[in-house]
Amino acid sequence: ELKVEQNPLFLSMQEGKNYTIYCNYSTTSDRLYWYRQDPGKSLESLFVLLSNGAVKQEGRLMASLDTKARLSTLHITAAVHDLSATYFCAVDMGSGNTPLVFGKGTRLSVIA
Amino acid sequence: DTAVSQTPKYLVTQMGNDKSIKCEQNLGHDTMYWYKQDSKKFLKIMFSYNNKELIINETVPNRFSPKSPDKAHLNLHINSLELGDSAVYFCASSPQVRAQETQYFGPGTRLLVL
Repeated sequence: ELKVEQNPLFLSMQEGKNYTIYCNYSTTSDRLYWYRQDPGKSLESLFVLLSNGAVKQEGRLMASLDTKARLSTLHITAAVHDLSATYFCAVDMGSGNTPLVFGKGTRLSVIA
Repeated sequence: DTAVSQTPKYLVTQMGNDKSIKCEQNLGHDTMYWYKQDSKKFLKIMFSYNNKELIINETVPNRFSPKSPDKAHLNLHINSLELGDSAVYFCASSPQVRAQETQYFGPGTRLLVL
């Protein structure tokens, strides 16, 4: 059974600081997704990582994937308040049109 | 031109009632899903349909019955609602072939059972 673990689950960070969210998964997969969810809203896709060593960046967020270590990271650079949200990583169960298994989410709060 | 839409957005009902949630996608995707997000924000797959056929049915009570009249629609009917069914239900879709695309999520239906 595929399990996805995120840590930390809660993160309070000051504006301007850097931090990394970790996502470990238990079985082989080369498709990993990061989503953002604002309170009361739906899930917004941030990154799709499809191969070992994949790195993608958008603004202050950078995601990477190490399929051998079964680890993805979401790095936040110089955090701003607008980044406050819950971040989920999710792993594809199989062939690309199969359901996603989600981590429990990291609730990020950026404070002044 | 919403990609994945759900109705209703909010649903408040009494225990024991039967209710339905509708989902439509205009992305031309072949695969649709229902996910449940509980009060702790945990997201879990309930059902997966590919071209109107059920392909995955996770451990979900049989009070929940999905129906896909065509590949653009996936509805969820819930019988004899219980307090524990209170959650946010998200519909999602994705293309069939292994593609460099994510799954697209609807806005969610917030169900509260009293």
